[in-house]
Order: sequence, then structure tokens, then C-alpha cells
Amino acid sequence: QQPVQSPQAVILREGEDAVINCSSSKALYSVHWYRQKHGEAPVFLMILLKGGEQKGHDKISASFNEKKQQSSLYLTASQLSYSGTYFCGIEYNFNKFYFGSGTKLNVKP
Amino acid sequence: EAQVTQNPRYLITVTGKKLTVTCSQNMNHEYMSWYRQDPGLGLRQIYYSMNVEVTDKGDVPEGYKVSRKEKRNFPLILESPSPNQTSLYFCASSIRGNYGYTFGSGTRLTVV
Repeated sequence: QQPVQSPQAVILREGEDAVINCSSSKALYSVHWYRQKHGEAPVFLMILLKGGEQKGHDKISASFNEKKQQSSLYLTASQLSYSGTYFCGIEYNFNKFYFGSGTKLNVKP
Repeated sequence: EAQVTQNPRYLITVTGKKLTVTCSQNMNHEYMSWYRQDPGLGLRQIYYSMNVEVTDKGDVPEGYKVSRKEKRNFPLILESPSPNQTSLYFCASSIRGNYGYTFGSGTRLTVV
């Protein structure tokens, strides 16, 4: 029941854009997005609760397509501080969580 | 400062020796959860709790126990640790459903 994230890794130059996808094999209750820097704990970015909902957080935004059972995270004009591993977390049943295996993002000067 | 505190940060133990990893949050959160993180597998939920005395199994509960006697504390107990429980463990809390989780700093456990 673990969601599938793609791509597994991305290398960007500062200022470039990236999209990270998260797909589920069954209907979702909600989608969370987290970022984890090396040696640190995951940090919550945003949660999407309704199909079609889009949320933004600085230049990071996300969408949730309930029909396609997937969510996408958009990183616009990436900064060095965006480097890290991004995880989506899916709730199928209330509070029972499954995280994707992560997408490593490396932003270079 | 609002935070989730885990102890210890690092622990090396021997197979079969019971251990407890403590987790405490000072945000009056209802929901708490334990995860283990292994390379290539991401974060996997071990147990979660929706309130005091209410706990349930996550995706990988075998070999672990939890208790929630007080709202702020959610300890993880390994009654008889084995080498396959060597991992990085995170405790997390949330005010309630539909809100994001705040994670503790992690506990790196090695079982030899």
C-alpha cells in the first residue's frame, strides 16, 4: 500500500523547476508532503484533503487529483535550501499512514 | 519551544535485551505515531495513537509495543530486540486529524 514516488532523484541548477509525483493504487483520504534534510527529521510542508485541492508554500505548491489517485509537488525557481529528500504520505484509513520511498532533490549553484 | 523530544538519540544494544525509547511532546497533541526509517524503504509506521489509552497497529508492528497512559508521552518498547530492528526511529505528533505531523529528532538504534 506504499505510494509510488517518481522520480527517485533529481538534480537541478538554482532557479530551475521540478515536479515530484506520488501515486496510489487505491482511493486516498489525504496526502501529506514532507522534506527531510540529511541527518535531520522530516519537516511538514503541506496537507491536501480534497480532490483537486492545490496548496502553496512560498514557491512550493502541490495538487491532489482524487480521480487519478495521485498528488504532485511543484518546486518553482528552486533554491539551494530546497535540497533534501521529499516524501509524500498517504492516509487511506484515518491516521494510518504510508509514506513513499522518497525523492532526493539536489539543487546546485 | 514546541517540540517532540525523543531519547536516547543513539543506542547500541545486544539481542534480547529489553529497551524503551521515550517520546514526549509539549504541544497538547492528540495524535502520536512511531516510524522506522530504513534505506530505500522510506518511513514505515509502527504504531499510532489517537488519544490516551487508544493505540493501534501501523504497517510494521511486529516486535514492538507502545503505551499511551498520558497525553504527552508515547514510549516505544522493544521487549526482545533483534538485529533486523536496527534502524532510525522517529516519533511524531499532530494536533488531531487532518493536520501535519511534527517529528522528533530521531533515535538511531543498533542491535548486535
